[in-house]
Amino acid sequence: AQTVTQSQPEMSVQEAETVTLSCTYDTSESDYYLFWYKQPPSRQMILVIRQEAYKQQNATENRFSVNFQKAAKSFSLKISDSQLGDAAMYFCAYRLSNQGAQKLVFGQGTRLTINP
Amino acid sequence: DVKVTQSSRYLVKRTGEKVFLECVQDMDHENMFWYRQDPGLGLRLIYFSYDVKMKEKGDIPEGYSVSREKKERFSLILESASTNQTSMYLCASSLSGFRYGYTFGSGTRLTVV
Repeated sequence: AQTVTQSQPEMSVQEAETVTLSCTYDTSESDYYLFWYKQPPSRQMILVIRQEAYKQQNATENRFSVNFQKAAKSFSLKISDSQLGDAAMYFCAYRLSNQGAQKLVFGQGTRLTINP
Repeated sequence: DVKVTQSSRYLVKRTGEKVFLECVQDMDHENMFWYRQDPGLGLRLIYFSYDVKMKEKGDIPEGYSVSREKKERFSLILESASTNQTSMYLCASSLSGFRYGYTFGSGTRLTVV
């Protein structure tokens, strides 16, 4: 079965500190994209960052970066200089190249709290 | 600003009612999706559509059906609502191609009493 596992249901971090959210996935495919989505209390899911499996270089978007370990099937999200606005549910997901409509498979989510 | 619009933010229905959840996107996306979101379970795919009048079952289609008569609109139908269908329902759309992420609506929180 194709699965995504986020082992940390909840995490908290002090404002301005760095936090890393974990994600592992299971697929036998070699070509796919990985995504991190953020869902703030407003419920609007927002794409944070994406990574192509064939690219070895880790993706970075401002304060957000990933640590992609393809052999280990690990895709963690690092948030630097945490801000109060980063408080949200974070979902890890992947999308395969060979599935109809290329559906996203999501993890269970990690709720991130930012302490002022 | 491109967006996905879900017709209701909150909805309360009675057991046995037929319920329609509407979703409209203005981005000319080929693919549209319905997920339900429950605490501890993440997002689970109910149905998706990759073209007008085309639909495919997701992981949890039982008790649901869908309709896509126009490219921009994807409706989720609960044929006979039950209390175990109380959940958050998220609609999303995307271009074809696995490099693209989804654009999500704001969700409909459905309560079945």
